[in-house]
Amino acid sequence: GAVVSQHPSRVICKSGTSVKIECRSLDFQATTMFWYRQFPKQSLMLMATSNEGSKATYEQGVEKDKFLINHASLTLSTLTVTSAHPEDSSFYICSARAGTGATGQFFGPGTRLTVL
Amino acid sequence: AQKVTQAQTEISVVEKEDVTLDCVYETRDTTYYLFWYKQPPSGELVFLIRRNSFDEQNEISGRYSWNFQKSTSSFNFTITASQVVDSAVYFCALSGMDTGRRALTFGSGTRLQVQP
Repeated sequence: GAVVSQHPSRVICKSGTSVKIECRSLDFQATTMFWYRQFPKQSLMLMATSNEGSKATYEQGVEKDKFLINHASLTLSTLTVTSAHPEDSSFYICSARAGTGATGQFFGPGTRLTVL
Repeated sequence: AQKVTQAQTEISVVEKEDVTLDCVYETRDTTYYLFWYKQPPSGELVFLIRRNSFDEQNEISGRYSWNFQKSTSSFNFTITASQVVDSAVYFCALSGMDTGRRALTFGSGTRLQVQP
């Protein structure tokens, strides 16, 4: 099956710093990538949808200036958490979908962010 | 708007018991997909099944079976002869079929604990 990787798998940073998380589709071209966030013992919530070469679409309540998403190529999307604070500590998971007609959506292994 | 309800927050069973995880959904889409994912303590989502809204056939895969009832908007998941390795959080999810509606809406999850 298709493989999606995320890097880093785990990151600890100080409050006020920025953290970049990469999501890569390893064996297919992903025209659409989704970013989800999961707080401890909660469900996954969609943060934003990014289509290659265009601006991301953010869900209501997600600050686009704080969570910068770049989908510059068909195999890579990045999520940058700017000026991170402890309340941003969460599990961030991306998923990737190939092409407009594709029905498969593949999840990355997730990135656990801890902001001290 | 889409909504997925998993009313069972936590279930505890003894090994070899059968267990059913409930999932009820709401959507205005006429065509949609339903999913089940397993999330072990590592956090990585493990894909279990995807069903099309126009295919109500029940499915069995080893000890797993799924019952899709469009009339009651339910997509229940049964594990037969549960094992300790089945312990995890299980998520039911829903997405539209149309391009632009492929992001997943997740239920709140059911934590399954299988005791030896």
